[in-house]
Amino acid sequence: SQELEQSPQSLIVQEGKNLTINCTSSKTLYGLYWYKQKYGEGLIFLMMLQKGGEEKSHEKITAKLDEKKQQSSLHITASQPSHAGIYLCGADNPNTDKLIFGTGTRLQVFP
Amino acid sequence: DGGITQSPKYLFRKEGQNVTLSCEQNLNHDAMYWYRQDPGQGLRLIYYSQIVNDFQKGDIAEGYSVSREKKESFPLTVTSAQKNPTAFYLCASSPSTVLVAEAFFGQGTRLTVV
Repeated sequence: SQELEQSPQSLIVQEGKNLTINCTSSKTLYGLYWYKQKYGEGLIFLMMLQKGGEEKSHEKITAKLDEKKQQSSLHITASQPSHAGIYLCGADNPNTDKLIFGTGTRLQVFP
Repeated sequence: DGGITQSPKYLFRKEGQNVTLSCEQNLNHDAMYWYRQDPGQGLRLIYYSQIVNDFQKGDIAEGYSVSREKKESFPLTVTSAQKNPTAFYLCASSPSTVLVAEAFFGQGTRLTVV
């Protein structure tokens, strides 16, 4: 079965620093999604990537999908306390029509 | 405004008791899902429903039950058979299971067994 592995599991950065979160799939990705979750709340959809080499940005967050479509990275530029939360990658599983999720990365940003 | 609502936000249960988590959506979505979140494990699918009066087991359905009598509602019952029920539960809905990526998520219910 397809699995998504995220790294790092936890990240603590100083405000203003850049950071990168990775999501690696055991199989080819047909659709890769990034979500943010504030502690104890629901998920907020950030962006979706479908094509190899695709890159999308929203405010200070940029997500990329590699050419082989097995790895995605989420990059935050000049981090702020509002970026703190849990970041989850999700992917379509074409065999089951279900959305599977990565293990999550907990981000803390301190002043 | 359309959305998906979970209640309650926090729930405490004694061992051996069943408890039901509510999930309601007014988005006219056909598909609804229940996920469980444990630290370091991401989200895992418990049950999902593609249409009213139909539902399917997910990856960790043991100890849980659901019903889908109405399109808007997909309650999850955590039974006493669930050996480790303390977790954060997320409900989601989407236009169809094919369009899972367009899922909307509720705010979650944190269940604690005491």
